[in-house]
Amino acid sequence: GIQVEQSPPDLILQEGANSTLRCNFSDSVNNLQWFHQNPWGQLINLFYIPSGTKQNGRLSATTVATERYSLLYISSSQTTDSGVYFCAVTYSGAGSYQLTFGKGTKLSVIP
Amino acid sequence: DSGVTQTPKHLITATGQRVTLRCSPRSGDLSVYWYQQSLDQGLQFLIQYYNGEERAKGNILERFSAQQFPDLHSELNLSSLELGDSALYFCASSADLARNEQFFGPGTRLTVL
Repeated sequence: GIQVEQSPPDLILQEGANSTLRCNFSDSVNNLQWFHQNPWGQLINLFYIPSGTKQNGRLSATTVATERYSLLYISSSQTTDSGVYFCAVTYSGAGSYQLTFGKGTKLSVIP
Repeated sequence: DSGVTQTPKHLITATGQRVTLRCSPRSGDLSVYWYQQSLDQGLQFLIQYYNGEERAKGNILERFSAQQFPDLHSELNLSSLELGDSALYFCASSADLARNEQFFGPGTRLTVL
């Protein structure tokens, strides 16, 4: 099956700093989503971005499907950004609709 | 709030028991997915239903089963529970298979003692 690798696995930032999280995938995809899992366990949709660039406030994401990677940018980080960020993809092979998740990047933002 | 609801939020039970987890998708969404999140396996796909029909199966044990009802809510049944079944179980829904953007419920945290 498709492989999804996220880096770095752990990241500690001072409040106000910027960061870039990376997601590499091993095959062509027709869906790529970024999620934030907060400390209460909820998975919150950040972006649906199978290709291109999107921005939402302090967050932005870019997917280069031809090179099989996606980047999530967090600017001016806040303590509420802490949690685990997951990249998840759907392989574009016939009949495949389930998401395959990476292992996540655990972000800790300290005041 | 994603619009996907799951009950119960927490469930504590004993080995050998059977439990049922319930999910209501977002209004109008036809596809329902179940995922399991455990410390050692991460987030893994279990099973998908689309408009009442089973569509795909992932790493779902034979002791587990699911169904989607005519009103589109879904239930995941876990039987002969083992300690290793302790995990966070998520339901997700999507409106259509073409775009397939999935929205997740708050999860059911299952603890098997």
